[in-house]
Amino acid sequence: EVQLLESGGGLVQPGGSLRLSCAASGFTFSSHGMSWVRQAPGKGLEWVSGISGGGADSYYADSVKGRFTISRDNPKNTVWLQMNSLRVEDTAVYYCVRGVFAPDYWGQGTLVTVSS
Amino acid sequence: DVVLTQSPLSLPVTLGQPASISCRSSQSLVSSDGSTYLNWFQQRPGQSPRRLIYKVSNRDSGVPDRFSGSGSGTDFTLKISRVEAEDVGVYYCMQGTHWPRTFGQGTKVEIK
Repeated sequence: EVQLLESGGGLVQPGGSLRLSCAASGFTFSSHGMSWVRQAPGKGLEWVSGISGGGADSYYADSVKGRFTISRDNPKNTVWLQMNSLRVEDTAVYYCVRGVFAPDYWGQGTLVTVSS
Repeated sequence: DVVLTQSPLSLPVTLGQPASISCRSSQSLVSSDGSTYLNWFQQRPGQSPRRLIYKVSNRDSGVPDRFSGSGSGTDFTLKISRVEAEDVGVYYCMQGTHWPRTFGQGTKVEIK
């Protein structure tokens, strides 16, 4: 059974940093690209970042480029999202998602709140 | 960036009646590999999104056959042949052809 378990969310002040983790299981992790998708309270889905299966290629939404960094460790079946220079508008539930072309499995999400 | 425009944004439907959601793209979604990566997701209240349809018309395992996807190029449609109470939620199209990936605004389906 495919499982994606996010962690690392919480309350952070504007300008602060946070690192989200996603522990994957139930599939061959290195064979799949991975994505992060977020959803602000009461709003729609926004794709944030994606990384290839081998980790060589990564992509970002314009809204987070230069502030967020996606990475992965295939032996540890883990993908991370390092978030720096956080803004109030980054407040959202962040979902870890398997795939970058036609994402299929989603985690339960972790809430990031940016507020003073 | 590719803009996906969904319509309508709100869709009140009578139980047992059909429903249709349009998703129009600002660019062709045909990839260099020949595939068209237009996907549909359902998000029920309080839940994570769930993929229903991938690459325009391929229904995911466990998705009722009352859901179908169609379209090509820049114009796509999700149809529900007979709406049931469990179909209430928000539906999103998403393109996986161009970077950055993008979602439509979402269409809220509710029962009249």
